[in-house]
Order: sequence, then C-alpha cells, then structure tokens
Amino acid sequence: SQQGEEDPQALSIQEGENATMNCSYKTSINNLQWYRQNSGRGLVHLILIRSNEREKHSGRLRVTLDTSTKSSALLIPASRAADTASYFCATGAGGTSYGKLTFGQGTILTVHP
Amino acid sequence: GAGVSQSPSNKVTEKGKDVELRCDPISGHTALYWYRQSLGQGLEFLIYFQGNSAPDKSGLPSDRFSAERTGGSVSTLTIQRTQQEDSAVYLCASSLLGVRTDTQYFGPGTRLTVL
Repeated sequence: SQQGEEDPQALSIQEGENATMNCSYKTSINNLQWYRQNSGRGLVHLILIRSNEREKHSGRLRVTLDTSTKSSALLIPASRAADTASYFCATGAGGTSYGKLTFGQGTILTVHP
Repeated sequence: GAGVSQSPSNKVTEKGKDVELRCDPISGHTALYWYRQSLGQGLEFLIYFQGNSAPDKSGLPSDRFSAERTGGSVSTLTIQRTQQEDSAVYLCASSLLGVRTDTQYFGPGTRLTVL
C-alpha cells in the first residue's frame, strides 16, 4: 500500500454535517499537507502541518497529526455543498530537503444540499 | 498574478507518437515539479527542478520520459513513443524556494489520452 492512504475512499453526507477524512502514512515525514481537487484537475493547497505540530487550523478547517500512529485527520465542520471535492493528503519526506510530495489515493467528499 | 499554466489542456495521440507537455510556473518560483495522476495509481511524483537542473528524476517511469527546464522558468515534459498506459492527467506545480515546507501551486493539468 502507498504512503498517505486516505480513509474513507468516499464520503457522502448532508449539508451541515461534519466531515472527517483520515490519512495514514508509513515512513518518517517532515510535514503533512492536505489538498483539494475539483473535477479531477488542479489541486489547491489547504493546509500544512509540520511533524512537531499536533493540530492546526485554517479558516473552518482543522487538521490533526499523530506521529505515534502515523495518521492525520482533516475535519470540515458544518459542511456545505461547495465543499464537494476530492481531498488528498500528501507527505513531505523526512529524508530530503526539498518539496517532493507523496500523495494518497484521496477521499471523494459529496455534500448533499 | 497569474498562476501555473499548462498546455495543452487536453491531448489525444496515437500509440507510438511523441508528445510534449508544457508548464509555465508562477514567475519567480525556483522550484518546479511534475506529477502524474492516473486511475488506480493516484498522484505520482515524476521529477523536480531547482532552477534549470533536476536533482530528482526518480519518478520518471521509463527512459521514454524526459523533461527540461529553460531560463529557470518554462518546463517541457516529453514522452516518446507513447503507450496506452501513459494516459493520465499530468500536473505541474511550482513553489517559491523548493524547500519542504513550501506551498506548491498546481496548474490545471494536461489530460493525455493515448489511443
């Protein structure tokens, strides 16, 4: 299995519900990032959390990181139809000094109005 | 300012033909990355440029794939003798310094279909 695996692969919820997407990874990391992708095209950077951080917020989004279990979660509270997209976690390697990212397979989030 | 642009947005080619994909990074960004997104494989790293040099080409799938960057700006990914398994969306990203904590800004991608 690949570094940065998301769980679930697909999530379907109603508007107003909270969305939680999980990511697991295998090797040591420098940081973990979450990206959003609409319609299978360009990715948009959402948030970066460093390996020495446990929680980070960006607007509505909240990301947690647990390096002991090698896992991260992206939480979107009170979801909106506009949050419908694919969400990917990506890990920045611990062994390199540059920004090579290893992506997971992604979670397809559908928020029904 | 302008974001990362890629051309063409879609490319359909016949098996065995060569293709060139272009990436225009954000002005002033020293680092440029190519990724490939295909069904069943997710997003895969292909190559990283710092300026005009490529310190990491480890993700290029075969010697049919090559890339160059000129003037520290535009990059071209070339696939020779295309195969059906090369069909994918090819994404380019740039970042300011290329360090691990940089934000990478992605282009809209080129969807390549090899018939």
